[in-house]
Amino acid sequence: DADVTQTPRNRITKTGKRIMLECSQTKGHDRMYWYRQDPGLGLRLIYYSFDVKDINKGEISDGYSVSRQAQAKFSLSLESAIPNQTALYFCATSAQGGTGELFFGEGSRLTVL
Amino acid sequence: AQSVTQLDSQVPVFEEAPVELRCNYSSSVSVYLFWYVQYPNQGLQLLLKYLSGSTLVKGINGFEAEFNKSQTSFHLRKPSVHISDTAEYFCAGLSGGYQKVTFGTGTKLQVIP
Repeated sequence: DADVTQTPRNRITKTGKRIMLECSQTKGHDRMYWYRQDPGLGLRLIYYSFDVKDINKGEISDGYSVSRQAQAKFSLSLESAIPNQTALYFCATSAQGGTGELFFGEGSRLTVL
Repeated sequence: AQSVTQLDSQVPVFEEAPVELRCNYSSSVSVYLFWYVQYPNQGLQLLLKYLSGSTLVKGINGFEAEFNKSQTSFHLRKPSVHISDTAEYFCAGLSGGYQKVTFGTGTKLQVIP
């Protein structure tokens, strides 16, 4: 089984719908991240959490919210999806006090029509 | 502003030829530097990392990178590429005191048979 699991892997939805992407990890890491990947733009940080009580905005948090339900779970919500949120979303983890090395899930491809 | 710059968006190369993928980092990015690889329809995985010590870093699958402080570069090299190396490669750096990882925009390596 994967150390970092994302669900769903693919989702097609309509403008205005609420969407939740879920991430769970078995690596025991305190730090979790949500990134968005767009062609030609690389990965951009949406939100990150260094522990259950710590949530921080990344560079592109507008239109997104997150919830850290437990050390192992970090979900990303789009309250009212819009077409320009069509992208590939990655969850990642890292160890506190580590080198910053990230461990990624396999991604959730979201299409907003 | 913190940044990691990948100078080439696409690099075509013939099989068994050498390749260099270029990466430059800004002075605001710490000298913890990484290369990640993303194979088609997969998440990112660590190829190699530079933390300190020897400026030549060896990674998986025959890749290596050289940290050059004076040129603020961290170029990725492989002496002989294989078809299986076709993927997108991301340079990344650890920024600020919050241990957020900043990614470059990616370089697609296309190995031509």
